Amino acid sequence: KAGVTQTPRYLIKTRGQQVTLSCSPISGHRSVSWYQQTPGQGLQFLFEYFSETQRNKGNFPGRFSGRQFSNSRSEMNVSTLELGDSALYLCASSPRRTGANVLTFGAGSRLTVL
Amino acid sequence: GQQVMQIPQYQHVQEGEDFTTYCNSSTTLSNIQWYKQRPGGHPVFLIQLVKSGEVKKQKRLTFQFGEAKKNSSLHITATQTTDVGTYFCAPYNTDKLIFGTGTRLQVFP
Repeated sequence: KAGVTQTPRYLIKTRGQQVTLSCSPISGHRSVSWYQQTPGQGLQFLFEYFSETQRNKGNFPGRFSGRQFSNSRSEMNVSTLELGDSALYLCASSPRRTGANVLTFGAGSRLTVL
Repeated sequence: GQQVMQIPQYQHVQEGEDFTTYCNSSTTLSNIQWYKQRPGGHPVFLIQLVKSGEVKKQKRLTFQFGEAKKNSSLHITATQTTDVGTYFCAPYNTDKLIFGTGTRLQVFP
């Protein structure tokens, strides 16, 4: 079956702009998590969505937001972009929330902020 | 908050040598997962450990969970060039997976 699909794969924005990233989970997976990966900070948890509700949130400013649709697809948005937002944004899906689920990651969206 | 340190940060080995990365937590862990990320790729699940003192093997890879459930290790025997990548431990904490700092492994042929 198809894996986790993230779009776009690469994008370049300038400071102050906003960006929306999309994630389509594995069919049947209802949980979607987002991570930011940078060389300096490593893999940082952004948030998790399950059944269209945000279930958990990491320590990121309010400029970072997300949502999940009824088909489990998820989007994340970053407003008022800063240079430090340049990163690889990874989406991961898992079947359910209970227990320690195994995450299946997408290829990521690489954002460059100029 | 919970801190998950991995050591070493980098490791360069000659092909055929062994490799070990250690994951240390400041708190007791309920369980821990390990992921591998190849250069330019995304993290891929390797294994999950749940029980105190648990040891699991996958071919040349041996994973251990400490008796106190505060640390874990991954040992690779006789490394190959295909082992190149960054290895992350990822404890499950308060309903989310927190990734360790990672150990980047480089293998020279």
